[in-house]
Amino acid sequence: DAGVTQSPTHLIKTRGQHVTLRCSPISGHKSVSWYQQVLGQGPQFIFQYYEKEERGRGNFPDRFSARQFPNYSSELNVNALLLGDSALYLCASSLYLRAGLFNEQFFGPGTRLTVL
Amino acid sequence: GQQVMQIPQYQHVQEGEDFTTYCNSSTTLSNIQWYKQRPGGHPVFLIQLVKSGEVKKQKRLTFQFGEAKKNSSLHITATQTTDVGTYFCAGPNTGNQFYFGTGTSLTVIP
Repeated sequence: DAGVTQSPTHLIKTRGQHVTLRCSPISGHKSVSWYQQVLGQGPQFIFQYYEKEERGRGNFPDRFSARQFPNYSSELNVNALLLGDSALYLCASSLYLRAGLFNEQFFGPGTRLTVL
Repeated sequence: GQQVMQIPQYQHVQEGEDFTTYCNSSTTLSNIQWYKQRPGGHPVFLIQLVKSGEVKKQKRLTFQFGEAKKNSSLHITATQTTDVGTYFCAGPNTGNQFYFGTGTSLTVIP
């Protein structure tokens, strides 16, 4: 079976632009989470989605939004890009247990976003 | 907000030496997970601990979850060059957010 896939692998944008990142979970996984990882730091939790609904949200501004589709794939959208949004964006899929209980997460290779 | 700190931030060891990283959370965790991230790679799940005081072993790796469920440790016996990478602890809070620790970067010198 294929692992978690993300697209694109790399992206260069300028300040003020908008970006959409995509993620396909492992077959059978219904939960997708998004993380931002700045170089040299640990991943920062952005969102968790399950059954097309947001189940958890990290401390990120409203410029960040996401959605999950009926096939459990997901998109992360970031509006009005800032230089500080430059990071590796990771998607992780998992078997959803219940709210507040995170199961083993399988990460994709990430999308490297550079904002100029 | 919740903080999950790890020490040390960096560790260089000779191949064959032991290695330990410590994880401390500012709040109680319902469970704790450990991930390994190789340079240029993505985090890979190692293990999950749920019970207070739990100890689990995977070959040369030993994981512990503290009695108060606020701290954890990962110990590697007789490190190998394949152990190189950054080790993160991580866990959920009561607000359904998931926090990663600051990470410990391990370098193994052959």
